[in-house]
Amino acid sequence: AQTVTQSQPEMSVQEAETVTLSCTYDTSESDYYLFWYKQPPSRQMILVIRQEAYKQQNATENRFSVNFQKAAKSFSLKISDSQLGDAAMYFCAYRSPRSGAGSYQLTFGKGTKLSVIP
Amino acid sequence: EPEVTQTPSHQVTQMGQEVILRCVPISNHLYFYWYRQILGQKVEFLVSFYNNEISEKSEIFDDQFSVERPDGSNFTLKIRSTKLEDSAMYFCAGEAGRNTIYFGEGSWLTVV
Repeated sequence: AQTVTQSQPEMSVQEAETVTLSCTYDTSESDYYLFWYKQPPSRQMILVIRQEAYKQQNATENRFSVNFQKAAKSFSLKISDSQLGDAAMYFCAYRSPRSGAGSYQLTFGKGTKLSVIP
Repeated sequence: EPEVTQTPSHQVTQMGQEVILRCVPISNHLYFYWYRQILGQKVEFLVSFYNNEISEKSEIFDDQFSVERPDGSNFTLKIRSTKLEDSAMYFCAGEAGRNTIYFGEGSWLTVV
Protein backbone atom coordinates (compact mmCIF):
# COMPACT_ATOMS: atom_id res chain seq x y z
CA ALA A 1 0.00 0.00 0.00
CA GLN A 2 1.13 3.50 -0.70
CA THR A 3 2.05 5.81 2.16
CA VAL A 4 2.46 9.56 2.24
CA THR A 5 4.59 11.31 4.85
CA GLN A 6 4.59 14.98 5.73
CA SER A 7 7.34 15.44 8.29
CA GLN A 8 6.54 19.04 9.22
CA PRO A 9 3.42 19.26 11.42
CA GLU A 10 3.67 23.05 11.50
CA MET A 11 5.48 25.73 9.53
CA SER A 12 5.43 29.49 9.57
CA VAL A 13 6.43 32.10 7.02
CA GLN A 14 6.65 35.86 6.96
CA GLU A 15 4.23 37.56 4.62
CA ALA A 16 5.76 38.05 1.14
CA GLU A 17 8.44 35.44 1.83
CA THR A 18 8.81 31.96 0.35
CA VAL A 19 8.14 28.70 2.14
CA THR A 20 8.59 25.06 1.15
CA LEU A 21 6.46 22.24 2.50
CA SER A 22 7.88 18.72 2.33
CA CYS A 23 6.23 15.49 1.29
CA THR A 24 7.63 12.04 0.66
CA TYR A 25 5.79 8.96 -0.46
CA ASP A 26 6.35 5.28 -0.85
CA THR A 27 5.19 3.34 -3.90
CA SER A 28 6.25 0.54 -6.20
CA GLU A 29 4.34 2.01 -9.14
CA SER A 30 6.02 3.93 -11.93
CA ASP A 31 3.00 5.95 -12.98
CA TYR A 32 0.89 7.90 -10.51
CA TYR A 33 -0.43 11.33 -9.59
CA LEU A 34 0.50 13.62 -6.76
CA PHE A 35 -1.54 16.48 -5.37
CA TRP A 36 -1.40 19.27 -2.85
CA TYR A 37 -4.69 20.25 -1.24
CA LYS A 38 -5.25 23.30 0.93
CA GLN A 39 -7.67 23.23 3.85
CA PRO A 40 -8.35 26.69 5.31
CA PRO A 41 -10.20 27.15 8.62
CA SER A 42 -13.48 26.72 6.73
CA ARG A 43 -12.29 23.10 6.31
CA GLN A 44 -13.05 22.92 2.60
CA MET A 45 -10.51 20.87 0.63
CA ILE A 46 -9.17 22.98 -2.22
CA LEU A 47 -6.95 21.57 -4.95
CA VAL A 48 -3.76 23.61 -5.19
CA ILE A 49 -1.65 21.76 -7.71
CA ARG A 50 -1.20 18.38 -9.33
CA GLN A 51 1.75 16.52 -10.84
CA GLU A 52 1.76 13.53 -13.15
CA ALA A 53 4.69 11.23 -12.41
CA TYR A 54 5.49 10.68 -16.09
CA LYS A 55 6.10 14.40 -16.57
CA GLN A 56 9.61 15.57 -15.80
CA GLN A 57 8.60 19.22 -15.72
CA ASN A 58 7.56 20.50 -12.34
CA ALA A 59 3.98 21.80 -12.14
CA THR A 60 3.34 25.47 -11.39
CA GLU A 61 0.16 27.40 -10.60
CA ASN A 62 0.77 31.09 -10.11
CA ARG A 63 2.63 31.45 -6.78
CA PHE A 64 2.58 27.70 -6.15
CA SER A 65 5.13 25.32 -7.60
CA VAL A 66 6.40 21.86 -6.83
CA ASN A 67 9.78 20.20 -6.75
CA PHE A 68 9.11 16.66 -7.90
CA GLN A 69 12.01 14.26 -7.41
CA LYS A 70 10.77 10.89 -8.66
CA ALA A 71 13.84 8.86 -7.76
CA ALA A 72 13.82 10.25 -4.24
CA LYS A 73 10.00 9.95 -4.03
CA SER A 74 9.79 13.53 -2.91
CA PHE A 75 7.13 16.11 -3.77
CA SER A 76 7.58 19.47 -2.06
CA LEU A 77 5.36 22.51 -2.43
CA LYS A 78 6.86 25.98 -2.72
CA ILE A 79 4.71 29.01 -2.00
CA SER A 80 6.22 32.27 -3.21
CA ASP A 81 5.23 35.75 -2.05
CA SER A 82 3.20 34.27 0.81
CA GLN A 83 -0.09 35.96 1.59
CA LEU A 84 -2.24 35.94 4.72
CA GLY A 85 -4.83 33.93 2.82
CA ASP A 86 -2.31 31.12 2.37
CA ALA A 87 -2.61 30.26 6.05
CA ALA A 88 -4.15 26.79 6.11
CA MET A 89 -3.53 23.11 6.53
CA TYR A 90 -1.79 21.65 3.48
CA PHE A 91 -2.19 18.01 2.57
CA CYS A 92 -0.06 16.04 0.17
CA ALA A 93 -1.88 13.19 -1.58
CA TYR A 94 -1.01 10.25 -3.83
CA ARG A 95 -3.15 8.49 -6.34
CA SER A 96 -2.69 5.60 -8.76
CA PRO A 97 -3.88 6.27 -12.32
CA ARG A 98 -7.26 4.87 -13.26
CA SER A 99 -5.59 2.66 -15.85
CA GLY A 100 -3.26 1.14 -13.30
CA ALA A 101 -3.73 -1.87 -11.07
CA GLY A 102 -3.59 0.06 -7.82
CA SER A 103 -6.34 1.57 -5.75
CA TYR A 104 -7.87 4.74 -7.16
CA GLN A 105 -8.41 6.31 -3.80
CA LEU A 106 -6.41 9.30 -2.68
CA THR A 107 -3.94 8.54 0.08
CA PHE A 108 -3.28 11.61 2.21
CA GLY A 109 -0.45 12.66 4.45
CA LYS A 110 -1.17 13.98 7.93
CA GLY A 111 -0.86 17.58 6.82
CA THR A 112 1.27 20.62 7.55
CA LYS A 113 -0.27 23.61 9.28
CA LEU A 114 1.06 26.78 7.68
CA SER A 115 0.90 30.09 9.53
CA VAL A 116 1.60 33.37 7.76
CA ILE A 117 3.03 36.13 9.93
CA PRO A 118 2.06 39.70 8.95
CA GLU B 1 -14.36 26.16 -11.41
CA PRO B 2 -17.72 24.42 -10.95
CA GLU B 3 -18.36 23.19 -7.43
CA VAL B 4 -19.41 20.03 -5.71
CA THR B 5 -22.13 21.05 -3.26
CA GLN B 6 -22.98 19.28 -0.03
CA THR B 7 -25.85 19.46 2.42
CA PRO B 8 -26.20 19.88 5.30
CA SER B 9 -23.12 21.88 6.20
CA HIS B 10 -23.51 20.84 9.82
CA GLN B 11 -25.74 18.27 11.50
CA VAL B 12 -26.06 17.28 15.12
CA THR B 13 -27.67 13.91 15.74
CA GLN B 14 -28.35 11.61 18.64
CA MET B 15 -26.39 8.38 18.88
CA GLY B 16 -28.27 5.55 17.19
CA GLN B 17 -30.10 7.83 14.75
CA GLU B 18 -29.88 7.53 10.98
CA VAL B 19 -28.18 10.30 9.05
CA ILE B 20 -28.20 11.04 5.33
CA LEU B 21 -25.61 13.35 3.85
CA ARG B 22 -26.25 14.69 0.37
CA CYS B 23 -24.01 15.76 -2.44
CA VAL B 24 -24.60 17.26 -5.87
CA PRO B 25 -21.56 16.49 -8.02
CA ILE B 26 -20.45 18.49 -11.02
CA SER B 27 -22.49 17.48 -14.06
CA ASN B 28 -19.67 15.93 -16.09
CA HIS B 29 -18.27 13.90 -13.23
CA LEU B 30 -18.44 10.15 -13.61
CA TYR B 31 -16.77 8.93 -10.42
CA PHE B 32 -17.94 9.87 -6.95
CA TYR B 33 -16.38 9.48 -3.56
CA TRP B 34 -16.93 9.94 0.13
CA TYR B 35 -14.03 10.74 2.41
CA ARG B 36 -14.08 11.62 6.08
CA GLN B 37 -11.84 13.58 8.40
CA ILE B 38 -12.04 13.12 12.13
CA LEU B 39 -11.06 16.36 13.88
CA GLY B 40 -7.30 16.78 13.91
CA GLN B 41 -6.64 13.71 11.81
CA LYS B 42 -5.92 13.06 8.18
CA VAL B 43 -8.48 12.57 5.46
CA GLU B 44 -9.58 8.96 5.03
CA PHE B 45 -11.18 7.26 2.06
CA LEU B 46 -14.59 5.67 2.61
CA VAL B 47 -16.02 4.60 -0.73
CA SER B 48 -15.96 5.19 -4.46
CA PHE B 49 -18.97 4.89 -6.76
CA TYR B 50 -19.10 4.47 -10.52
CA ASN B 51 -21.82 3.46 -12.94
CA ASN B 52 -24.36 3.20 -10.12
CA GLU B 53 -22.39 0.78 -8.01
CA ILE B 54 -19.64 0.76 -5.43
CA SER B 55 -16.25 0.28 -7.10
CA GLU B 56 -14.08 0.36 -4.02
CA LYS B 57 -14.55 0.72 -0.26
CA SER B 58 -12.34 0.92 2.79
CA GLU B 59 -12.54 -1.10 5.98
CA ILE B 60 -14.20 1.91 7.59
CA PHE B 61 -17.17 1.52 5.26
CA ASP B 62 -18.95 -1.26 7.14
CA ASP B 63 -22.58 -2.37 7.09
CA GLN B 64 -23.65 0.81 8.87
CA PHE B 65 -22.81 2.82 5.78
CA SER B 66 -24.47 2.87 2.38
CA VAL B 67 -24.35 5.05 -0.71
CA GLU B 68 -26.69 5.60 -3.59
CA ARG B 69 -27.44 7.94 -6.45
CA PRO B 70 -31.19 7.59 -6.62
CA ASP B 71 -32.11 10.19 -9.19
CA GLY B 72 -28.96 10.42 -11.30
CA SER B 73 -27.86 13.67 -9.69
CA ASN B 74 -27.76 13.58 -5.89
CA PHE B 75 -25.20 11.24 -4.36
CA THR B 76 -25.96 10.28 -0.78
CA LEU B 77 -24.15 8.71 2.15
CA LYS B 78 -26.35 7.06 4.77
CA ILE B 79 -25.19 6.09 8.22
CA ARG B 80 -27.80 3.75 9.66
CA SER B 81 -27.16 3.92 13.38
CA THR B 82 -24.68 6.61 14.27
CA LYS B 83 -21.99 6.14 16.90
CA LEU B 84 -20.01 8.78 18.75
CA GLU B 85 -16.94 7.89 16.70
CA ASP B 86 -18.79 8.77 13.50
CA SER B 87 -18.40 12.45 14.43
CA ALA B 88 -16.30 13.88 11.62
CA MET B 89 -16.27 16.06 8.54
CA TYR B 90 -17.59 14.09 5.58
CA PHE B 91 -16.42 15.15 2.14
CA CYS B 92 -18.08 14.28 -1.10
CA ALA B 93 -15.83 14.38 -4.14
CA GLY B 94 -16.17 13.93 -7.86
CA GLU B 95 -13.98 13.21 -10.82
CA ALA B 96 -14.47 13.51 -14.56
CA GLY B 97 -12.03 10.74 -15.34
CA ARG B 98 -9.02 12.98 -15.72
CA ASN B 99 -7.41 11.74 -12.54
CA THR B 100 -8.19 14.87 -10.55
CA ILE B 101 -10.65 14.74 -7.68
CA TYR B 102 -12.60 17.84 -6.62
CA PHE B 103 -14.02 18.05 -3.14
CA GLY B 104 -17.17 19.62 -1.80
CA GLU B 105 -17.18 21.93 1.20
CA GLY B 106 -17.90 19.09 3.60
CA SER B 107 -20.68 18.15 6.00
CA TRP B 108 -19.74 18.35 9.64
CA LEU B 109 -21.48 15.58 11.60
CA THR B 110 -21.64 15.72 15.37
CA VAL B 111 -23.02 12.66 17.17
CA VAL B 112 -24.10 13.27 20.77
